[in-house]
Amino acid sequence: AQSVAQPEDQVNVAEGNPLTVKCTYSVSGNPYLFWYVQYPNRGLQFLLKYITGDNLVKGSYGFEAEFNKSQTSFHLKKPSALVSDSALYFCAVRDDFNKFYFGSGTKLNVKP
Amino acid sequence: GAVVSQHPSWVICKSGTSVKIECRSLDFQATTMFWYRQFPKQSLMLMATSNEGSKATYEQGVEKDKFLINHASLTLSTLTVTSAHPEDSSFYICSARDALAGSSTDTQYFGPGTRLTVL
Repeated sequence: AQSVAQPEDQVNVAEGNPLTVKCTYSVSGNPYLFWYVQYPNRGLQFLLKYITGDNLVKGSYGFEAEFNKSQTSFHLKKPSALVSDSALYFCAVRDDFNKFYFGSGTKLNVKP
Repeated sequence: GAVVSQHPSWVICKSGTSVKIECRSLDFQATTMFWYRQFPKQSLMLMATSNEGSKATYEQGVEKDKFLINHASLTLSTLTVTSAHPEDSSFYICSARDALAGSSTDTQYFGPGTRLTVL
């Protein structure tokens, strides 16, 4: 069975500082991993994905994520946070039937 | 980029009535669409997979007679919440996969969501 875990309900960071939002996964077969962002009362926006290839994946709005097979992690990172990055972030895994399984979400608060 | 719309964006209804939510892929064809439900401050939970021209596949614990799904065309799927009750109040989000994309393509496009409030 596929599942993802986001251990932090909330992450607080000051603007300009680097940010990390954690995600670990459990999959049977090859991992297809995603990060999405959700703003209040809005649907999900795609940030980035890992399918195969380089472990460091670069995505939208300056975000990147590092796939670590040995630690079964796919942490989301950004070198310098912006206040506008404040939102709810979801890690997800896709199975072979294109079903997505989402983590519980992490609320990112970037303070000026 | 690909756009998925939902209508209505929000709806308030009385207990016992039925509500229909539409999910449309605006610039691509989607043989498969997915319906999710999101409770406040919680994650998305997959409810069902909507297949064009065939019956939907429901996740365990989701009542198919309660949540009727119809995928009559390659650009439209509808979710009808029948005999709605206050506990059905939630944020419903659909997603769609481009039918013409290769099998290796896996990006799904999400709609903006529909907030249902049942009084």
